[in-house]
Amino acid sequence: DQQVKQNSPSLSVQEGRISILNCDYTNSMFDYFLWYKKYPAEGPTFLISISSIKDKNEDGRFTVFLNKSAKHLSLHIVPSQPGDSAVYFCAAPRGNTDKLIFGTGTRLQVFP
Amino acid sequence: NAGVTQTPKFQVLKTGQSMTLQCAQDMNHEYMSWYRQDPGMGLRLIHYSVGAGITDQGEVPNGYNVSRSTTEDFPLRLLSAAPSQTSVYFCASSYAAGSYEQYFGPGTRLTVT
Repeated sequence: DQQVKQNSPSLSVQEGRISILNCDYTNSMFDYFLWYKKYPAEGPTFLISISSIKDKNEDGRFTVFLNKSAKHLSLHIVPSQPGDSAVYFCAAPRGNTDKLIFGTGTRLQVFP
Repeated sequence: NAGVTQTPKFQVLKTGQSMTLQCAQDMNHEYMSWYRQDPGMGLRLIHYSVGAGITDQGEVPNGYNVSRSTTEDFPLRLLSAAPSQTSVYFCASSYAAGSYEQYFGPGTRLTVT
């Protein structure tokens, strides 16, 4: 049972444009969400997070939006840069624990 | 700070062999965990520890053992390697249980033939 889903395995965006990465979840008990970024041959690195008491969190070029009624969150990158090319994972802690449940990832390619 | 370090980077095992993947962190983090990443499946939690002497199972613990004798180290043992354990293994740590933001090591790519 995939409780955190990223239905788009890949996304290609031109440099300077907006990248929108989507994530859906099935468990309405999730109250915190994280996005991680992963380059090849490296471990994931934390990017941005959002608590369920908010519907938006912004950090520089990165903004995460949370729609609790739709059980959907999205990561917006504006403007996209070639260095943003990586795999992006959304994740949520299971219950009141640190056991992160990860989505399957979306590979973003930003081309010049 | 070196952060989270993992050794080895690559390993090839034959079916039935055992080995230990090493993980260490120098950030004095209480919480440590092991994940495996397989194509199309994201990262899945194998085992985790909320502090020295305390470990528990994650989603996919079968075939793996862990121990946590110090705050810094959290080795993962494969008891009898199987081809299904071919994967990339990541160790992660966070300041304490409930801090959620986890720091990952660079990974160990394991192939079992």
